[in-house]
Amino acid sequence: DAGVIQSPRHEVTEMGQEVTLRCKPISGHDYLFWYRQTMMRGLELLIYFNNNVPIDDSGMPEDRFSAKMPNASFSTLKIQPSEPRDSAVYFCASTGRNTEAFFGQGTRLTVV
Amino acid sequence: SQKIEQNSEALNIQEGKTATLTCNYTNYSPAYLQWYRQDPGRGPVFLLLIRENEKEKRKERLKVTFDTTLKQSLFHITASQPADSATYLCASPPLGAGSYQLTFGKGTKLSVIP
Repeated sequence: DAGVIQSPRHEVTEMGQEVTLRCKPISGHDYLFWYRQTMMRGLELLIYFNNNVPIDDSGMPEDRFSAKMPNASFSTLKIQPSEPRDSAVYFCASTGRNTEAFFGQGTRLTVV
Repeated sequence: SQKIEQNSEALNIQEGKTATLTCNYTNYSPAYLQWYRQDPGRGPVFLLLIRENEKEKRKERLKVTFDTTLKQSLFHITASQPADSATYLCASPPLGAGSYQLTFGKGTKLSVIP
């Protein structure tokens, strides 16, 4: 398996634009997590899914953020409209039968 | 409120010495703790898991302890090498959460000096 795949690796966008981050989890994993990492706040859980159903989105900072998982092999995190304070590295992770989380390479988002 | 904390942002040690990193938790009792390694520009990679009823876990040069009295986990790297330089994160399920959900400490950046 290629592991968790995220795209794009880097994204630079202007304030106010819509940004869509993509994730393909490891095949067979039931859980998918979206995290955001900054120097100030570390790695924060935004939302997670179990069997494609959102379970806890309490970490989503505001209504500008939304996430979907239309099937077991694909998830998106959308920010609309984007703001400079959204600049961070966004990670997707998936988990199978045990609790070990497998992370993707991350998407470095810069909003100017 | 519950917290998981890694008090040292950075740790510098000489090659060959044992590195010891600390993870403290407050106001909850996690069922397990995990440790991850993160290299620059990459996602965290799982290293070890230790459950609350386990005192110690080992994997090659790595050792993790879990002290529920002190509310602390220690992560040791023996015979450290420059290749061990990375940021190490501890994580646990937060109180009341499903066991698959994780809260992470901010990490300790380890530098092993040749």
